[in-house]
Amino acid sequence: AQSVTQLGSHVSVSEGALVLLRCNYSSSVPPYLFWYVQYPNQGLQLLLKYTSAATLVKGINGFEAEFKKSETSFHLTKPSAHMSDAAEYFCAVSDAGGGADGLTFGKGTHLIIQP
Amino acid sequence: DSGVTQTPKHLITATGQRVTLRCSPRSGDLSVYWYQQSLDQGLQFLIQYYNGEERAKGNILERFSAQQFPDLHSELNLSSLELGDSALYFCASSVTSLEDTQYFGPGTRLTVL
Repeated sequence: AQSVTQLGSHVSVSEGALVLLRCNYSSSVPPYLFWYVQYPNQGLQLLLKYTSAATLVKGINGFEAEFKKSETSFHLTKPSAHMSDAAEYFCAVSDAGGGADGLTFGKGTHLIIQP
Repeated sequence: DSGVTQTPKHLITATGQRVTLRCSPRSGDLSVYWYQQSLDQGLQFLIQYYNGEERAKGNILERFSAQQFPDLHSELNLSSLELGDSALYFCASSVTSLEDTQYFGPGTRLTVL
């Protein structure tokens, strides 16, 4: 069975500082990995995805994530935080070919941006 | 805007009642997924339909059922509602069952009193 662990239910950074949101996964087969963002009272928006091509994945809004198989990690980073980045972030995993099962999500990390 | 629409936006009902949530996928998407988001359980996959057929089941209760119609819209039926069913219900769609990107709708917030 797949699982996702997001370290830190809340992460607080200053505006302009580096954002690092951690995600570790467990999967018995090569996974597809995703980061989604959820703004208050909205649905989930895809930030980026890893599907076994390049290990460094660039997404929208300046975010990127690196797939590290040896560490079973897929951490999300952004060099410089902006106030508009404040939201809930979810890491998710699916088996390769991934649409046959639903996504397995982590518990989410609430990103707080301090002025 | 993901292109996935869900109605209603909010639903308030009483315990023991039955409700139906509706989802229209993005144009061209054949696969529809239902998820439940609650404070206790987080985001959980409930069920997937592909081109009218049930494709995969997750943590869906027996009191819950879904279907996908020939026009590809989907409905999630929740019956004998309990207080614990209060949650945000999301629908997502993807092009095919092998397509790996799911696009989420805005959700239906269900409150059971």
